[in-house]
Amino acid sequence: AQTVTQSQPEMSVQEAETVTLSCTYDTSENNYYLFWYKQPPSRQMILVIRQEAYKQQNATENRFSVNFQKAAKSFSLKISDSQLGDTAMDFCAFLNNDMRFGAGTRLTVKP
Amino acid sequence: DSGVTQTPKHLITATGQRVTLRCSPRSGDLSVYWYQQSLDQGLQFLIQYYNGEERAKGNILERFSAQQFPDLHSELNLSSLELGDSALYFCASSEGTGPQFNSPLHFGNGTRLTVT
Repeated sequence: AQTVTQSQPEMSVQEAETVTLSCTYDTSENNYYLFWYKQPPSRQMILVIRQEAYKQQNATENRFSVNFQKAAKSFSLKISDSQLGDTAMDFCAFLNNDMRFGAGTRLTVKP
Repeated sequence: DSGVTQTPKHLITATGQRVTLRCSPRSGDLSVYWYQQSLDQGLQFLIQYYNGEERAKGNILERFSAQQFPDLHSELNLSSLELGDSALYFCASSEGTGPQFNSPLHFGNGTRLTVT
């Protein structure tokens, strides 16, 4: 079974600064997808960014970008120009036949 | 709005009781997933259905069961409830299943279950 590990239970960053959240995963599959979701205090699950494993180019979505290292099975999320609204639980997720989530990183953006 | 509808939003019940949570997937989505999120925890995958058939099973207790109906809505049944079952239960849907579908999961707003 696939496992997803987020080694940072909590992170904080000053507003307008950059922060990187770590994620590693374990799989024997070659074809899969990776996602970052955020869960603000409202508890909604919101898709942030996705990455196809067959693509070498790292995905970018406005202030959000990933560093996908397939050989290392690493999928980190970089948030640039952090905003107060980025305060949330951030979850890394792995999709093959089903979607598995990491334990999450609680990100706090400080004014 | 994700297009995924979960009812009820809140549910309070006593230990030993049985409840049913309902999920209507986004229009056109054939896959439905159920997740459990206890307080300040990650999402635990329970079960996945695709077009009415069970496709994958995660850490779902024997006291829990689910099904997906011909109209694609799904129900999660929780029985003999215990205090530890108190959690936020999410339903999510996607177009398909397996890596040939790269569509992400779209989540409902969850059902908050409190067992007293």
